[in-house]
Amino acid sequence: EAGVTQFPSHSVIEKGQTVTLRCDPISGHDNLYWYRRVMGKEIKFLLHFVKESKQDESGMPNNRFLAERTGGTYSTLKVQPAELEDSGVYFCASTRNSGNTIYFGEGSWLTVV
Amino acid sequence: QKEVEQNSGPLSVPEGAIASLNCTYSDRGSQSFFWYRQYSGKSPELIMFIYSNGDKEDGRFTAQLNKASQYVSLLIRDSQPSDSATYLCAVNKKAEYGNKLVFGAGTILRVKS
Repeated sequence: EAGVTQFPSHSVIEKGQTVTLRCDPISGHDNLYWYRRVMGKEIKFLLHFVKESKQDESGMPNNRFLAERTGGTYSTLKVQPAELEDSGVYFCASTRNSGNTIYFGEGSWLTVV
Repeated sequence: QKEVEQNSGPLSVPEGAIASLNCTYSDRGSQSFFWYRQYSGKSPELIMFIYSNGDKEDGRFTAQLNKASQYVSLLIRDSQPSDSATYLCAVNKKAEYGNKLVFGAGTILRVKS
């Protein structure tokens, strides 16, 4: 069974540009989460999808961040325009049922210069 | 006060010794607790989870939970150099539409051969 896959693994962009991160959860997992770890800080929750619906987006930092999960399969997280403080690693995670073990992807490492 | 607190370390132990990793949490209503291991540049990997007060053992790992003291720990027996990693404590926080993990900043463990 394939795990949670994320693309790109690394991205370096200039301040003001746009980046779109993609996450493919484990097949059959309705719950998809985005987390972020910025340098020197703990991993922080961004948002939670159940299928295509946003159940909790309380962790999204501001309106420069847009997450979608059309069709309830893969998800994208767009940062537009990117700022220096957005640099960090963005983890996607999925689980079949909320409360079960959450499986993490390898992360997308974003550097904004 | 952070929701989940860990000593950042590094915690250095000799090979074969017991490594003791500690974590405290602030939400008394938290129900489930997780320990993740993260190697540099890799995704968090679940090691143990615990729901009930007391000890839970799995191989060389023992998780201990004390809800009255809001304290959870991870013991690693017969530590190996391959155990060197960052250990993340996570608390499953019940949100309005499901659960989400709240992470500590992690403790760096170094096992010296």
